[in-house]
Amino acid sequence: NAGVTQTPKFRILKIGQSMTLQCTQDMNHNYMYWYRQDPGMGLKLIYYSVGAGITDKGEVPNGYNVSRSTTEDFPLRLELAAPSQTSVYFCASSYREWDQPQHFGDGTRLSIL
Amino acid sequence: AQKITQTQPGMFVQEKEAVTLDCTYDTSDQSYGLFWYKQPSSGEMIFLIYQGSYDEQNATEGRYSLNFQKARKSANLVISASQLGDSAMYFCAMREGDSGAGSYQLTFGKGTKLSVIP
Repeated sequence: NAGVTQTPKFRILKIGQSMTLQCTQDMNHNYMYWYRQDPGMGLKLIYYSVGAGITDKGEVPNGYNVSRSTTEDFPLRLELAAPSQTSVYFCASSYREWDQPQHFGDGTRLSIL
Repeated sequence: AQKITQTQPGMFVQEKEAVTLDCTYDTSDQSYGLFWYKQPSSGEMIFLIYQGSYDEQNATEGRYSLNFQKARKSANLVISASQLGDSAMYFCAMREGDSGAGSYQLTFGKGTKLSVIP
């Protein structure tokens, strides 16, 4: 079972560069999420999606964009990378029922220098 | 005010002993869910256990149990018979509201680092 797959696992960017973090899930989950985890902290929600074509902002959306063209894929776009975006990024997905756990990918460790 | 508070940055436990990781939460919703996740040093997030606000019994999953005290707004994780592989960060998280209210995100605490001593 693949579950939630994130690519790449590691990336170093220069300030001002752009990149897309990829996330795909094979569990037919409606809901998908992007979180960031800063050192010594819990996860904070960046964006989420409740289905194809529907996305909304989370707690820390500034500097990011998302799209959801299919049920399976939920890419996260950084347009102008800044040092403050150095973090570990997690993609997650879940079923519609709110008591169902979110299943996480292995994370992408992103450094911006 | 923080929604999820984990007051123990680090904990040590002897192998085969039980350990309790504290979590208190703050919400005005009647419907909410509490989740515990484990994050090993390899970095992945592993779901452990869930407790709903209307569940009358404490949740259990193998060696994990959740000590849910609704009036005190606490949802402590109890790990019985600790193993070396339990050494990890543990995060408490809350989801507020029901699906009709459109609340989807998990709010995480800062975590507790558990170290199991042989």
